[in-house]
Amino acid sequence: GNSVTQMEGPVTLSEEAFLTINCTYTATGYPSLFWYVQYPGEGLQLLLKATKADDKGSNKGFEATYRKETTSFHLEKGSVQVSDSAVYFCALSDLVTGNQFYFGTGTSLTVIP
Amino acid sequence: GAGVSQSPSNKVTEKGKDVELRCDPISGHTALYWYRQSLGQGLEFLIYFQGNSAPDKSGLPSDRFSAERTGGSVSTLTIQRTQQEDSAVYLCASRFSGTGGAYEQYFGPGTRLTVT
Repeated sequence: GNSVTQMEGPVTLSEEAFLTINCTYTATGYPSLFWYVQYPGEGLQLLLKATKADDKGSNKGFEATYRKETTSFHLEKGSVQVSDSAVYFCALSDLVTGNQFYFGTGTSLTVIP
Repeated sequence: GAGVSQSPSNKVTEKGKDVELRCDPISGHTALYWYRQSLGQGLEFLIYFQGNSAPDKSGLPSDRFSAERTGGSVSTLTIQRTQQEDSAVYLCASRFSGTGGAYEQYFGPGTRLTVT
């Protein structure tokens, strides 16, 4: 079946630190992979996505590369800001099995000045 | 264009009462999803509608929960005889489901339900 395993939180970093949030997946077909972000008090919004192996999604300084060989889609940012404090969700959608989405449990990030 | 809207934004109800939560998806999006997010928790899938197909209800936690989608657009999630454990944020998302590519979900702001 399909599933997403995400790094447990919470994560606390100082401003300008390097961020990695690990995400690995299991899929029966050819999934597309997504990172969503949820800022405090808001709904989820798409941060970035990748639709095939070796694709790199990027947005707002965040990047993630679709690694089929390691079934991973780790989120990285070189220098975090206080405004990046949020909960980050990794997700997959597998067109072979339909339109269902599978979300990780979320990783809470707090960036301190 | 307009995003996914949900109403009400907040709902406080007494235990045992029924509640209805509404979701207005993005125009042209044929797929609609409901999730529940308890405080500090991840997303719990509830139900999924795709066009005219029978909905995937596999995530509904009990028979007190039901949802419908009228005319392939607006959806209503109904919780009967609410319990305190139903307190959560209920999120709706819609998605374009054309062939090819990978289309992301667009989320509404959620309805915060508090059962007292």
